[in-house]
Amino acid sequence: DVKVTQSSRYLVKRTGEKVFLECVQDMDHENMFWYRQDPGLGLRLIYFSYDVKMKEKGDIPEGYSVSREKKERFSLILESASTNQTSMYLCASSLHDGSYEQYFGPGTRLTVT
Amino acid sequence: GEDVEQSLFLSVREGDSSVINCTYTDSSSTYLYWYKQEPGAGLQLLTYIFSNMDMKQDQRLTVLLNKKDKHLSLRIADTQTGDSAIYFCAESGDNYGQNFVFGPGTRLSVLP
Repeated sequence: DVKVTQSSRYLVKRTGEKVFLECVQDMDHENMFWYRQDPGLGLRLIYFSYDVKMKEKGDIPEGYSVSREKKERFSLILESASTNQTSMYLCASSLHDGSYEQYFGPGTRLTVT
Repeated sequence: GEDVEQSLFLSVREGDSSVINCTYTDSSSTYLYWYKQEPGAGLQLLTYIFSNMDMKQDQRLTVLLNKKDKHLSLRIADTQTGDSAIYFCAESGDNYGQNFVFGPGTRLSVLP
């Protein structure tokens, strides 16, 4: 079974703090994605990566950065957390070929106070 | 850009069939997917269909694709309370999996 794990299920941070969200997948997938999910807005893509050290901006990259130093790990960084970044963050991974289905982690619910 | 639309809410009685509908705009979609999200959890892939297929059945789930109208549906037979969740439709073009677009999700409520 594909497994995507995220470092925390729940996280509470203060405004201005630097926040790291980690995602690890164990199926040698080339693609990895970070989304945020907010009520009424569905899933919005923040960043994705199609290879080590490669990254592409998604629909809402402002206020976020990412790092992919190893194939299995994709990190989302909030340089200076703000209250409008309170959200559910979902990581996903997929293969470069085949049917491209994305496999998701359990999510991290981040609250910024 | 590409867009995927779904109605946001659906209520059904336990034991009835549920039909969740989705429309998409990208005519070059290669695969179409249905995901399920239970409260507080990530998304779980339920099924997917290749764009040259009309129908796919998997136990209680039936997926119908009308490529001409760009319409996808998910039918759940004998709906149970455990089927209460948000269901997301998604589509992918043939760009190494990088063009992946999700709909807003349909919240299915199953009433006893």
